[in-house]
Amino acid sequence: DIQMTQSPSSLSASVGDRVTITCRAGQSISSYLNWYQQKPGKAPKLLIYAASSLQSGVPSRFSGSGSGTDFTLSISSLQPEDFATYYCQQSYSTREFTFGPGTKVDIK
Amino acid sequence: QVTLKESGPVLVKPTETLTLTCTVSGFSLSNARMGVSWIRQPPGKALDWLAHIFSNDEKSYSTSLKSRLTVTKDTSKSQVVLTMTNMDPVDTATYYCARIQDATMVRGVIVNHYYYMDVWGKGTTVTVSS
Repeated sequence: DIQMTQSPSSLSASVGDRVTITCRAGQSISSYLNWYQQKPGKAPKLLIYAASSLQSGVPSRFSGSGSGTDFTLSISSLQPEDFATYYCQQSYSTREFTFGPGTKVDIK
Repeated sequence: QVTLKESGPVLVKPTETLTLTCTVSGFSLSNARMGVSWIRQPPGKALDWLAHIFSNDEKSYSTSLKSRLTVTKDTSKSQVVLTMTNMDPVDTATYYCARIQDATMVRGVIVNHYYYMDVWGKGTTVTVSS
């Protein structure tokens, strides 16, 4: 299976900050990378698919980039509702999807 | 409106078999290149993909849990069922089902299918304890 790592595992930021989260795949996965946001007690929500395509209804302050093994999720200006845990997930191998370990974004 | 809803027992005993049902609405399980995934999340831990099934009945399982998992679908009932055998306390988690959607992107003569999970159920919490 394809291993996914994320960094940092957690970060503290203030409203208005630009935030960047990194995801790395254990092998090249082209652009088969998705990003999800999860708030406590809630189901995950899709933010970005195919590395850089913004899911309908997701604010434009979220953006994704990267291909191959290295990917980033950026939030251009952090809003109060963005404090959550973010997960990357590869779909290069349709035989086995895998998630990263998550990055928790909390209030500084 | 697309929805998915998980149902099943709240409590199971060690060594028992867990059966969870995902009932979908707003789309058909026979839609081309669409599917349903099962994902779990132990308390305070990360998401863990378990299995999925596509409309063509293609199935895949987590390598580490493959021997314990079975996923099936009943298109007429709009249901996907996951069974997990030999339950253990470490299997205590919230279990989610999610729709797998396909984004087809064409670059020249190359057609790529990008799969992602766009709609999730609210999850069902399962505790394994004697």
